[in-house]
Amino acid sequence: DGGITQSPKYLFRKEGQNVTLSCEQNLNHDAMYWYRQDPGQGLRLIYYSQIVNDFQKGDIAEGYSVSREKKESFPLTVTSAQKNPTAFYLCASSTQGAANEKLFFGSGTQLSVL
Amino acid sequence: SQQGEEDPQALSIQEGENATMNCSYKTSINNLQWYRQNSGRGLVHLILIRSNEREKHSGRLRVTLDTSKKSSSLLITASRAADTASYFCATTDTGRRALTFGSGTRLQVQP
Repeated sequence: DGGITQSPKYLFRKEGQNVTLSCEQNLNHDAMYWYRQDPGQGLRLIYYSQIVNDFQKGDIAEGYSVSREKKESFPLTVTSAQKNPTAFYLCASSTQGAANEKLFFGSGTQLSVL
Repeated sequence: SQQGEEDPQALSIQEGENATMNCSYKTSINNLQWYRQNSGRGLVHLILIRSNEREKHSGRLRVTLDTSKKSSSLLITASRAADTASYFCATTDTGRRALTFGSGTRLQVQP
């Protein structure tokens, strides 16, 4: 089945620890995105990538880092600099940039702080 | 930044009734999209309407776009309990190639 796979579904972070959220897609999409969702809120853009080895900051990039070494993969690292990391993280992809394209979403990762 | 803002924040209706959700945005857009999210899940694309379109239909969904008022509405006709979810509008402006989402409307359809 084609789609986007996020793992793990639940993740716990200790204070001062970096954690990495995985996002893999087999849709052959060029563009990938990371969004953060707080309870009862909309989605806020963290980072996005239009092409391999290139990515841009979104609205709330501080405390996060990404890499795009392969077309299929766009991992997100939540660093210790992110002081309020508890949220639901959603990865998405589209065939090209989202100007006229719909996004396909993964099922999300819930990150909590111990 | 939140480009789109939905109204109402929450809506509770009976099965069979119609549900209308509104979205307002601030800047010029290329298109506007509507997504649905079941609790604790990812979002699913419902419909895309381009800036030069005024109305679009898909099954029980009807979307309108008024660029002069910078607003859109999503109408779900003959609602079902399975329509219970949060609904988000999302826009792309000319400045960047990523969607900006609104805060969402939580729809509860009572059986």
